[in-house]
Amino acid sequence: DTGVSQDPRHKITKRGQNVTFRCDPISEHNRLYWYRQTLGQGPEFLTYFQNEAQLEKSRLLSDRFSAERPKGSFSTLEIQRTEQGDSAMYLCASRAGGTNTEAFFGQGTRLTVV
Amino acid sequence: EDQVTQSPEALRLQEGESSSLNCSYTVSGLRGLFWYRQDPGKGPEFLFTLYSAGEEKEKERLKATLTKKESFLHITAPKPEDSATYLCAVQAVGGGSEKLVFGKGTKLTVNP
Repeated sequence: DTGVSQDPRHKITKRGQNVTFRCDPISEHNRLYWYRQTLGQGPEFLTYFQNEAQLEKSRLLSDRFSAERPKGSFSTLEIQRTEQGDSAMYLCASRAGGTNTEAFFGQGTRLTVV
Repeated sequence: EDQVTQSPEALRLQEGESSSLNCSYTVSGLRGLFWYRQDPGKGPEFLFTLYSAGEEKEKERLKATLTKKESFLHITAPKPEDSATYLCAVQAVGGGSEKLVFGKGTKLTVNP
């Protein structure tokens, strides 16, 4: 499978715990994005990497959230001290370089905070 | 602030009954407008990108069109397997932003 891969697909955690999600982009794509989607809403942008550099962050990305993309390959999104409001689908997308290219999404990680 | 509004929120069609979904957008300058299909519990699946007013793209029973203020996704003779949520998103030019701004989607149900 050469698409965007996310792991795990589902995560249930207790409030206050830390969680980490992984995204493996399409291999030749240098741009990587994280989005969050809650029920009945469209995806909301969280952050963007070009290679290993984090170039854009949404104000939605509070201090409890951190994302990394070491070596410009896979990326991780960590949420510290989870809250019930963090329950959502976390989506990763990747995109090739160039002006007119499309973003391809992974299957997402469904987070439930209990 | 860039904004995308999709209508209707939900649409029920009989198999073979053609219709259109609307995506109205407000953006400082449009770099691209994107249509995605999303099945329950899955990530969005890319359908089309449109870049300038007057542009049209087709794929099987779907056709996307673009004006300066809105885009339409026309579905011709839909089948039950076309049932999904259809998402519209825009990317703005300028400011160096790479983000896509999504609408809430239109949930399409096609009954056999």
